[in-house]
Amino acid sequence: QSVLTQPPSASGTPGQRVTISCSGSSSNIGSNYVYWYQQLPGTAPKLLIYRNNQRPSGVPDRFSGSKSGTSASLAISGLRSEDEADYYCAAWDDSLSGLFGGGTKLTVL
Amino acid sequence: QVTLRESGPALVKPTQTLTLTCTFSGFSLSTSGMCVSWIRQPPGKALEWLARIDWDDDKYYSTSLKTRLTISKDTSKNQVVLTMTNMDPVDTATYYCARMWEYRGFDYWGQGTLVTVSS
Repeated sequence: QSVLTQPPSASGTPGQRVTISCSGSSSNIGSNYVYWYQQLPGTAPKLLIYRNNQRPSGVPDRFSGSKSGTSASLAISGLRSEDEADYYCAAWDDSLSGLFGGGTKLTVL
Repeated sequence: QVTLRESGPALVKPTQTLTLTCTFSGFSLSTSGMCVSWIRQPPGKALEWLARIDWDDDKYYSTSLKTRLTISKDTSKNQVVLTMTNMDPVDTATYYCARMWEYRGFDYWGQGTLVTVSS
């Protein structure tokens, strides 16, 4: 059972906007940065969002992150077939232990 | 360019100690704000953060695994070593190392190494 809670699955059709939620607590998301990673099958995770809403260079602006209180969200607009992957939120807690969510499997219908 | 590569045994027996090495290039672990973490992923399951070592040698561990983990670095060799004692079949996973600079996320990852725990 992960400390950060994500829905196990999400889906959308090409072109749609999809959001994935991540719920934590005051000692992790509530007081620290949130990160989002995309993992394609058989590959290492890829950083999508850092410091709540910042995109690394090379990540399309279709991906956006937000945080409010002890929850965060990843939004993917203009959904594409290649977005089908597992998505993980992550945060540090106040003791500087790292935390990952349980992951959300995104299906593009 | 930045690269990280994990190395270690593919198979360990229950109760044995696992030693994994992360060899990296393209950055220095003596740079202020730099850190390297170990993260694992059991087959078909979620990512789990294990440990982190910072540029100033501060170390942090997973609350649930801290009694079994030790992380260290050799800056001159560009290596970070993780040891995990008393291995169990539930520790079977792909083990990744990844770097982070100034809390900008794990921006570079190794390709991962699969460790199977079995007698």
